[in-house]
Amino acid sequence: DIQMTQSPSSLSASVGDRVTITCQASQDISNFLNWYQQKPGRAPSLLIYSASNLETGVPSRFSGSGSGTDFTFTISSLQPEDIATYYCQQYDNFPLTFGGGTKVEIK
Amino acid sequence: EVQLAESGGGLVPPGGSLRLSCAASGFTFNNHDINWVRQAPGKGLEWVSYISGTGASIYYADSVKGRFTVSRDNTKSSLYLQMNSLRAEDTAVYYCARDRIIGERAFDIWGQGTMVTVSS
Repeated sequence: DIQMTQSPSSLSASVGDRVTITCQASQDISNFLNWYQQKPGRAPSLLIYSASNLETGVPSRFSGSGSGTDFTFTISSLQPEDIATYYCQQYDNFPLTFGGGTKVEIK
Repeated sequence: EVQLAESGGGLVPPGGSLRLSCAASGFTFNNHDINWVRQAPGKGLEWVSYISGTGASIYYADSVKGRFTVSRDNTKSSLYLQMNSLRAEDTAVYYCARDRIIGERAFDIWGQGTMVTVSS
């Protein structure tokens, strides 16, 4: 199984800050990597697919990059409504696997 | 509106069975592969099962293989998860989630989730 190591597990930042989350795969997964946002009590929502493609309707302050084993998710200017937990997910192989999540809070 | 809606969750004793349903609307159901994803209380996301649009291709997580069975009825735009031999560690919110396009396993539509509690 492909292990997805996400870091940090939590972070606190100020409104307007640039926030970066990393996700490392245990083997080469090309660009088969997605990012999700989950707000408390809600289902997750897709933000980025295939490592760097912004899902329709998602604000442009969200972005993703990377390929192979190392991936980065960025919020260019943190907004209060971005408080959530973020997950990466690989789809190179079954079983599909998620990272452990990063909880983003406002400082 | 494109939607998925789960139902069938509840309280079941260890060793018991439960059948979850996921009703789709607003899109051509058989054009999309569908997954089950679960989330234990206070924990992260865990992929459970995948079924292709035709139902011909199916995969399971090792944690549920041999106990859970996924199926779909495209005439009813519905997906099912038969869960047998339930364990305490199966306690979670269960979501159905649609693949964005065939072959690209990005979950663009999620249901609201249904809670399954395995306890005596």
